[in-house]
Amino acid sequence: GAVVSQHPSWVICKSGTSVKIECRSLDFQATTMFWYRQFPKQSLMLMATSNEGSKATYEQGVEKDKFLINHASLTLSTLTVTSAHPEDSSFYICSGIVRTGDTDTQYFGPGTRLTVL
Amino acid sequence: QKEVEQDPGPLSVPEGAIVSLNCTYSNSAFQYFMWYRQYSRKGPELLMYTYSSGNKEDGRFTAQVDKSSKYISLFIRDSQPSDSATYLCAMSTLNSGGYQKVTFGTGTKLQVIP
Repeated sequence: GAVVSQHPSWVICKSGTSVKIECRSLDFQATTMFWYRQFPKQSLMLMATSNEGSKATYEQGVEKDKFLINHASLTLSTLTVTSAHPEDSSFYICSGIVRTGDTDTQYFGPGTRLTVL
Repeated sequence: QKEVEQDPGPLSVPEGAIVSLNCTYSNSAFQYFMWYRQYSRKGPELLMYTYSSGNKEDGRFTAQVDKSSKYISLFIRDSQPSDSATYLCAMSTLNSGGYQKVTFGTGTKLQVIP
């Protein structure tokens, strides 16, 4: 299957600082990537859809000014959590799509665990 | 009511047992059905993918979809300790952007005891 990497895998930061998370598709080009957030014992919740060369599409309830997404190339999308607060502590996971015929398959990165103190 | 309901478990079974994992859903627009396996502190890994009612088999795994009952299942035969993980069901619709929007269940934590 296709490989997606994320960096960093774990980050601890102070409240009020900004954190950037990178998502890379290593062996395929991803015109569309997704960013999810997963709280403990809860499901993955879609935050936004990242489109190469255009603005991201955010899900209802997700603040676009707080979670900045940039998809500058076909292999890289970044999520910046601005002015992070303890309630932003979560597991952030990105995914890229590989389309085969009419079928889209999502391949997920390993996730980034964010802890805001 | 959540769009996708999944029993969070945990589910503990002895090694070699047949495991049955289930999800129900309410949105009849879902077209594609998937099962992911997620190990602790890792991203989900796709196990099975199907888009029609019926059974799909891959090795020890069988995915079953019943669209009339809005019910999907994943069966694991001859379960192994390495199968211990959280299993997420997922379903998707094709949205206006031309790609699938995926909705996940909460996941069922499975422990296979040697």
